[in-house]
Amino acid sequence: KQEVTQIPAALSVPEGENLVLNCSFTDSAIYNLQWFRQDPGKGLTSLLLIQSSQREQTSGRLNASLDKSSGRSTLYIAASQPGDSATYLCAVSGAGGSEKLVFGKGTKLTVNP
Amino acid sequence: EAQVTQNPRYLITVTGKKLTVTCSQNMNHEYMSWYRQDPGLGLRQIYYSMNVEVTDKGDVPEGYKVSRKEKRNFPLILESPSPNQTSLYFCASRSAEIYTGELFFGEGSRLTVL
Repeated sequence: KQEVTQIPAALSVPEGENLVLNCSFTDSAIYNLQWFRQDPGKGLTSLLLIQSSQREQTSGRLNASLDKSSGRSTLYIAASQPGDSATYLCAVSGAGGSEKLVFGKGTKLTVNP
Repeated sequence: EAQVTQNPRYLITVTGKKLTVTCSQNMNHEYMSWYRQDPGLGLRQIYYSMNVEVTDKGDVPEGYKVSRKEKRNFPLILESPSPNQTSLYFCASRSAEIYTGELFFGEGSRLTVL
């Protein structure tokens, strides 16, 4: 059974700092990995999707990497801003041939002005 | 604008009173899914649908029903709600492409069952 872990559960950084969020998964046979952002009381917004054949994806100040063999992904946020404060979740699909997305519990990020 | 729309956004009901949460997407997506989100438990899948008239159970289907009669709509039905179904519910959709299908979420429906 696929399990997705995100550490730390919460992170607080000063504005302008570069930071890395971690995601690990137990079954490397995945179709893709997605990173989402969730603001309090809101839905999830897709940030980046990395296909199983890819190593990384970039969007603006965000860069996500994928190492399938080790079961790890990182989300790098450059020059963090207070507006980046949110909970970040990663999810993987494909373990055991299932299309179901399995989510981590998220990292709550606070960027202090 | 591409979107997934859920209604109602907020609902307080009583035990046993049947309710339906609607979900509609305008992206012509084949795949639709329902999740519930609870503190400490994260997001858990309730039901999903690969296409019209094709539905399957997720991790926590007990107490819920779904139907997919049209491609754009995927309602979640609680026949006899109970307090343990108090939660934040999300509908999501994506294309049929397994490797590249990005998942789009609705804004969520906060349900309280008294």
